[in-house]
Amino acid sequence: KQEVTQIPAALSVPEGENLVLNCSFTDSAIYNLQWFRQDPGKGLTSLLLIQSSQREQTSGRLNASLDKSSGRSTLYIAASQPGDSATYLCAVSQGNEKLTFGTGTRLTIIP
Amino acid sequence: DTGVSQDPRHKITKRGQNVTFRCDPISEHNRLYWYRQTLGQGPEFLTYFQNEAQLEKSRLLSDRFSAERPKGSFSTLEIQRTEQGDSAMYLCASSGQLNYGYTFGSGTRLTVV
Repeated sequence: KQEVTQIPAALSVPEGENLVLNCSFTDSAIYNLQWFRQDPGKGLTSLLLIQSSQREQTSGRLNASLDKSSGRSTLYIAASQPGDSATYLCAVSQGNEKLTFGTGTRLTIIP
Repeated sequence: DTGVSQDPRHKITKRGQNVTFRCDPISEHNRLYWYRQTLGQGPEFLTYFQNEAQLEKSRLLSDRFSAERPKGSFSTLEIQRTEQGDSAMYLCASSGQLNYGYTFGSGTRLTVV
């Protein structure tokens, strides 16, 4: 059974710093990995999707990497801003129409 | 198309009542998913439709839960005889193809009192 772990559970950093969020998964036979952002009480916003054959994806200040063999992904956020404060979730798909999520990292950017 | 729409955004109901939620996926997406999220946890898979066919249901989906997608477009999730443990955010997602990822709606927050 696939298990997804996100460390740390919570992170506070001063505005302007670069930061890395971690995601690990136990079964490397994944189809793709997706990073989402969730604001309090809201739904999920897709940030980046990495196919199993890809090593990384970039969108603006965000960069996500994937090392399938070691079961790890990182989300790098450059030059953090207060508006980046949210919970970040990673989820893996194993091609069976079901996403398995981690419990998320709650990020707070301190102005 | 403005994305995945869910209605209502919030629902407060008394224990024992029935509730129904609606999800309108992105129009060209043939796959539709329901997830449930409790506080501090990641979303958990409930069920999945491809067009109008319900192809998979989680063991989380007890007999009190039923989902439909009658014409392969919008979907409804009904919970009968609600219990306090049903309080959660119910999220709907749609997908055109597996390798293009999932688009989620804003969710319906259910509170059972």
